[in-house]
Amino acid sequence: EPEVTQTPSHQVTQMGQEVILRCVPISNHLYFYWYRQILGQKVEFLVSFYNNEISEKSEIFDDQFSVERPDGSNFTLKIRSTKLEDSAMYFCASRGGGETQYFGPGTRLLVL
Amino acid sequence: GENVEQHPSTLSVQEGDSAVIKCTYSDSASNYFPWYKQELGKGPQLIIDIRSNVGEKKDQRIAVTLNKTAKHFSLHITETQPEDSAVYFCAAGVPQGGSEKLVFGKGTKLTVNP
Repeated sequence: EPEVTQTPSHQVTQMGQEVILRCVPISNHLYFYWYRQILGQKVEFLVSFYNNEISEKSEIFDDQFSVERPDGSNFTLKIRSTKLEDSAMYFCASRGGGETQYFGPGTRLLVL
Repeated sequence: GENVEQHPSTLSVQEGDSAVIKCTYSDSASNYFPWYKQELGKGPQLIIDIRSNVGEKKDQRIAVTLNKTAKHFSLHITETQPEDSAVYFCAAGVPQGGSEKLVFGKGTKLTVNP
């Protein structure tokens, strides 16, 4: 069964450093998302991406964040200058023609 | 914007009993309501979903009901088993020009005691 994959599974970085989180969505899907989940809290929407552009972004998704689909298979989230409060689990999701969003296993980001 | 409230935050039941988790939403434009199960260290896995033009949907031991007028929907798990233990999230799908986003509730930690 097709699934969303994410790399790395864990990342530790120093405050102020740039990180890139990678996702490979399900191959025939058209809509892509990033969500985050701070430990013990609910899953929060960050950004949606369709037709090579951002469809919507949340208040969390400020100028430090960017997304890209560089090669037709990968979907990346970049945080330019990480802050302590960026520590969270980041989930990528993808969707085909229906409503169902399929989530990846997540990347646990720890900013020290 | 959309706000989803979920109750209870924790739920403990005996194996074989039923479990019910309830959610309310605020935005009448929301038209899709999935339920996700999240096991420790894993991503959310869809277990059942319902669209706003349907009042009830069932899949084996799992059922979801939707009351659009009252803006609430519920997850029902019958004959619970220890492997049902996990955190369950409800969500509301908010249309946004075709690229729908999900707004999640805070989750319910379900424990099924053998």
